[in-house]
Amino acid sequence: DQQVKQNSPSLSVQEGRISILNCDYTNSMFDYFLWYKKYPAEGPTFLISISSIKDKNEDGRFTVFLNKSAKHLSLHIVPSQPGDSAVYFCAAGGGSNYKLTFGKGTLLTVNP
Amino acid sequence: NAGVTQTPKFQVLKTGQSMTLQCAQDMNHEYMSWYRQDPGMGLRLIHYSVGAGITDQGEVPNGYNVSRSTTEDFPLRLLSAAPSQTSVYFCASSANADTQYFGPGTRLTVL
Repeated sequence: DQQVKQNSPSLSVQEGRISILNCDYTNSMFDYFLWYKKYPAEGPTFLISISSIKDKNEDGRFTVFLNKSAKHLSLHIVPSQPGDSAVYFCAAGGGSNYKLTFGKGTLLTVNP
Repeated sequence: NAGVTQTPKFQVLKTGQSMTLQCAQDMNHEYMSWYRQDPGMGLRLIHYSVGAGITDQGEVPNGYNVSRSTTEDFPLRLLSAAPSQTSVYFCASSANADTQYFGPGTRLTVL
């Protein structure tokens, strides 16, 4: 039973345009959500997070939107840059046990 | 700060061999965890620890043991390696329920 789903294995966008990465979850107990970015041969690095009490969080070019009623979140990257090309993982957690559940990831390719 | 370090970076084992993947962090984080990443499977939690002396199972714990004798170290032991354990292993640590910091990974091949 996959509790965090990233249904698009890959996404390709042009430099300067918007990248939108999507994530769906099924567990209503999740109360915080994170996005991680991963380059080949490196560990994932934290990008941005959002608590369930918010519906939007912004950090520079990165914005995460949360729709709790739809159990859906999205990551917007504007403008996209070639250096943003990486695998993006959506993750969710709940309670105080610090456990995260990850999606399978979306490979973003930003073309110059 | 070195952050989260993992050794070795690469390892090749034969079926049935045992080994320990090392993980250390210098950020005084209470929470540490081990994940494996397989193609098309994302990151799956193997074991985790919320503090020295406390460990618990994650999503895919079979074939792996852990212990946490100090805050800094969280080794992962493979008692009898199997080809199904061929994967990339990541250790992570966290001070809160939000951000987890990952190590660079260990790429393990079991023949």
